[in-house]
Amino acid sequence: QSALTQPPSASGSPGQSATISCTGTSSDVGGYSYVSWYQQHPGKAPKLMIYEVSKRPSGVPDRFSGSKSGNTASLTVSGLQTEDEADYYCTSYAGSNNPVVFGGGTKLTVL
Amino acid sequence: QVQLQESGPGLVKPSQTLSLTCSVSGGSISSGSDYWSWIRQPAGKGLEWIGRIYTSESTNYNPSLKSRVTISVDTSKNQFSLKLSSVTAADTAVYYCAREVGLALAFDIWGRGTKVTVSS
Repeated sequence: QSALTQPPSASGSPGQSATISCTGTSSDVGGYSYVSWYQQHPGKAPKLMIYEVSKRPSGVPDRFSGSKSGNTASLTVSGLQTEDEADYYCTSYAGSNNPVVFGGGTKLTVL
Repeated sequence: QVQLQESGPGLVKPSQTLSLTCSVSGGSISSGSDYWSWIRQPAGKGLEWIGRIYTSESTNYNPSLKSRVTISVDTSKNQFSLKLSSVTAADTAVYYCAREVGLALAFDIWGRGTKVTVSS
C-alpha cells in the first residue's frame, strides 16, 4: 500500500485536459511544498515533470502544470497528445524519518 | 551532463545479499547538496524508494527496508552502492539509481535501471 493515493487510471481525448490527483496527509503533501511528478513510459526510467508542487524543469512542455490544495496535489496535462500516454507518479517529502514517499501511480490514456 | 549507470548481478539467490553499484559520470558525486538514491519497481507495479546517501555519508532509508539496506559511497570512484540482505522473491524488481536535487527534493536524473531477479 502506497503512502500517497493516486487513481489507478485517467483518460482524455487529444487536445483535451486530464488531471491526476495525489492525496496524502498533513505529514507529507499537506505539510511541505516538495511534491514532484514523474512520467514513465513502458520500459523506460521515470522522467521528472514537476517539482516543488508547480515548477517545471527545463524542457518540459508548459502543457504540464502542478498545484496543491491541502493534502492533495494535482497534475494537469492540457492539450493532450498521444505521447502523453504513460504512467505518472507523485512523490512528496515526508519528514526526516521517511523522507520520500511515492504514490501508487496513475496510467494516463489518451483516447 | 550528469549520467548514472547501474551495474551488478541480474540473478541473486534467496537469503543472499543483493549488491548494486551506480556509476556517476559527467559530474562529481561530491559536489553540491544533492542526494544519491536507490528506487525499485517490481514488474507491473509502482515505484518504491529504498534509501539515499548524502556526500557526507549521511543516509536515510525506507523504514520498511531499513533493517536490510546499506547504501555507501566511494568518492574516489565516483560511485555509490546498494546492499540488500536476506533477499526473497519479493525483492525481484528493476532497480534504479537517481540523483535527488537537494534544494528541490526531486529526482532529476535517473539511471536506465537494472533488473534483478531473486531465484534459486
